[in-house]
Amino acid sequence: DIVMTQTPLSSPVTLGQPASISCRSSQSLVHSDGNTYLSWLQQRPGQPPRLLIYKISNRFSGVPDRFSGSGAGTDFTLKISRVEAEDVGVYYCMQATHLWTFGQGTKVEIK
Amino acid sequence: QLQLQESGPGLVKPSETLSLTCTVSGGSISSSSYYWGWIRQPPGKGLEWIGSIYYSGSTYYNPSLKSRVTISVDTSKNQFSLKLSSVTAADTAVYYCASFLKGVPWLVYARYFDYWGQGTLVTVSS
Repeated sequence: DIVMTQTPLSSPVTLGQPASISCRSSQSLVHSDGNTYLSWLQQRPGQPPRLLIYKISNRFSGVPDRFSGSGAGTDFTLKISRVEAEDVGVYYCMQATHLWTFGQGTKVEIK
Repeated sequence: QLQLQESGPGLVKPSETLSLTCTVSGGSISSSSYYWGWIRQPPGKGLEWIGSIYYSGSTYYNPSLKSRVTISVDTSKNQFSLKLSSVTAADTAVYYCASFLKGVPWLVYARYFDYWGQGTLVTVSS
């Protein structure tokens, strides 16, 4: 089974400042088709998860450009360039290369 | 745009079987572009993938739940369903259904959950 490990688990951030979340997989997420199926999702309080980023770095429709993803192989990062109040919530990485697995989640809150 | 809605009992007794249905609107569950998935979230905890199904009936289950899970699809009703047997209090969670885009002509390799239901809380208690 693939294990997805996120750090930190909690990230207090000042409004307007950047935030960064790391996600590490227990084995390479490169699929046999050559793609890496690593997504990032946001879950605001009381809401279902919402897709932000797919295939490491592709923003989903309607996602602000302050969100960006990067990485390769087993190490991935989600960055928020300037945190806004609406970004408060829990962020999950998810792999879909070998079945499906979610990270534990990282809570982003305002200082 | 797809819309998904979970339905089913909110309270299940220990040792019984949890049964939920997800109704899909705005698109066909028989689309070759999609898998359909169930994900759960215990109160205050993270997301756990339960399993996924393709319209053809092919299923994929979380190894940790595989012995207790059955997912099926009813293309005539545009629905897919979850059954989880022998439930305990540890199965208390919000259960979400979601669409997983496999790929489309303009994005052949996609593989992400794009639309989610609002979720339904299932409590296991006597």
